[in-house]
Parts: sequence; C-alpha cells; structure tokens
Amino acid sequence: GAVVSQHPSRVICKSGTSVKIECRSLDFQATTMFWYRQFPKQSLMLMATSNEGSKATYEQGVEKDKFLINHASLTLSTLTVTSAHPEDSSFYICSATSIHRLAGSLMDVSYEQYFGPGTRLTVT
Amino acid sequence: GQQLNQSPQSMFIQEGEDVSMNCTSSSIFNTWLWYKQEPGEGPVLLIALYKAGELTSNGRLTAQFGITRKDSFLNISASIPSDVGIYFCAGQETSGSRLTFGEGTQLTVNP
Repeated sequence: GAVVSQHPSRVICKSGTSVKIECRSLDFQATTMFWYRQFPKQSLMLMATSNEGSKATYEQGVEKDKFLINHASLTLSTLTVTSAHPEDSSFYICSATSIHRLAGSLMDVSYEQYFGPGTRLTVT
Repeated sequence: GQQLNQSPQSMFIQEGEDVSMNCTSSSIFNTWLWYKQEPGEGPVLLIALYKAGELTSNGRLTAQFGITRKDSFLNISASIPSDVGIYFCAGQETSGSRLTFGEGTQLTVNP
C-alpha cells in the first residue's frame, strides 16, 4: 500500500526559532500533497495544498509567510514554521495523493489521500 | 464553506457490540472516505466510496454512500478492543481535491 512518512515525529523548539517538517511518499509519486494541523480533541484542519513545482495554495486564515511550503519533487514536500510561537504548538499531518484505477474500469481513476504519521510540534 | 456533521461525538460500548456512526453534509460530495486515527498517529484510510448508493465492506466494517450524495454511514460489527480510536468521515468534491473532515467519533470498547 501507499506509505507516507514524516520527519521528525516530535520536535520541541524555542519561541522565535524555525522548524522544518518533511513529508515523503515512499513508494509512489505524489503530484499533490496536503498539510493539515490538528489541535487536541479536534478534527484535521487543512492548511495548504502543495503541488510539485508550483506555489502552494493556502487556506483562508493561514499565513503563507509563516508556514512556508516547498514541494521540490514528486516524493517530498516540506513545511517550515517560521518564528514559531507557543500557539503554533500542534500536531501537523501531511497527506499525499495516490492515483488508483477503479476495479472493473479502464477509464475511471480515484485519487486517494494517504496520511503521514504526524509531527508533534511543541514551542516553549 | 462546506460542513460535515458527524455523529455521535463519542461512543462507549461493550466488546462484541455493533457500532454505527454517520455523517451528513450541507452539500454534495462525489467521494466519501472513512478514516481511523489512533493517538499520536495520522489517519488511516478504512473505506473509500465513489458512487452514490455504493455499499462497501472491509472485514467487519461496512460503509455506504448515501443516494443523495450528502451522507454516509459506517458500521462496525462485533467490536473488539483494538477498534478503539477516533473515526473520521471525509468528503471530497472531485477526485484529487481537498478533503473536508467531520468532527470525528471517539470510540471506546470495554472488554
């Protein structure tokens, strides 16, 4: 099956520093990757959509200069949290889109999203 | 924007019982997905539904894509302790587009 990895799994940083999180699709090429943030006991909130070779599309309310996204290859996207503050502490999860051909069809394909294991960011 | 209402928010059941949870939307989705998330991990895809009315099973899990395209349910039969986790529904407007997630259903299974 499609495997997505994230690195690091946990990071603690001081307020004002920057942190880079990597998202890799291990056994497939992903033209699109998504970055989510999840606060305790809440659902996943989409931050941005990352397409290989182009600028990321950010959701309303997400600061693009604070959350820098780079999708340099078909298997790697990075999220950099710049000048981190305690309120940025959260669980950051990426997903990558894998294309599947639907059973019994020569034409129909699906784009299933597979999620990474997440990165727990704590800003002190 | 689109909203997904997922219910119930939480369930406490005994091992062996069946479980049912559902999601409703204010607008149409062309794909419905069900994920399970365990503490400290990312969501894992359980079932994907692509056609209105579709009923799909994955082991003890069964999910259906509502004919109106605005709802979906997930059933778990004969629950076991390892079913514990948070279950999320997600809707997708078009293939490859963003997912909209429900609020999640926290499932607790007592042995």
